[in-house]
Amino acid sequence: EDQVTQSPEALRLQEGESSSLNCSYTVSGLRGLFWYRQDPGKGPEFLFTLYSAGEEKEKERLKATLTKKESFLHITAPKPEDSATYLCAVQARNDYKLSFGAGTTVTVRA
Amino acid sequence: DSGVTQTPKHLITATGQRVTLRCSPRSGDLSVYWYQQSLDQGLQFLIQYYNGEERAKGNILERFSAQQFPDLHSELNLSSLELGDSALYFCASSLSGGADTGELFFGEGSRLTVL
Repeated sequence: EDQVTQSPEALRLQEGESSSLNCSYTVSGLRGLFWYRQDPGKGPEFLFTLYSAGEEKEKERLKATLTKKESFLHITAPKPEDSATYLCAVQARNDYKLSFGAGTTVTVRA
Repeated sequence: DSGVTQTPKHLITATGQRVTLRCSPRSGDLSVYWYQQSLDQGLQFLIQYYNGEERAKGNILERFSAQQFPDLHSELNLSSLELGDSALYFCASSLSGGADTGELFFGEGSRLTVL
């Protein structure tokens, strides 16, 4: 069974204080690894898809990287509006579902 | 706004009752997914439909059932409700039903409270 473990569970940052979130995964043949952002009371919003080790994707202050066993989401110089729960998910080859981790809740203080 | 519409947004009911949650996917999307999100278990995949047919099934209880109609909207039926069924139920949609995209568009969820 696919397993996704995210750490830390919660992260409190000062505005401008860069940090990284970790997503470790176990899957039988990775098709893709995905990052989503979820704001309180809202549904998850797609951020990135990574398909192979070494791949990187960037969007504004966020950068996602992938190795064979884990992915990192780097937040550079975060702003209060980056406060959210960040979810990691994996999809195995020949599988339709995404398996999600429990998420990392990021709070950025001004 | 993701374009996925879920109703109702909030629902309070009693144990033993039955409820129906409704989802309208984004225009043009053929695939609908249902996920359950609770505080202690995170997002759990329930079931997927593609163009009216069941495509994949997760840990969906026998008390739960779903279907996708010809107009592509979907309904999730929850019966013989228990306290533990209290959760946020999300619907998501995607254009493809194949294993070729992880970009799902989620609705805002239906919060079910069972008393």
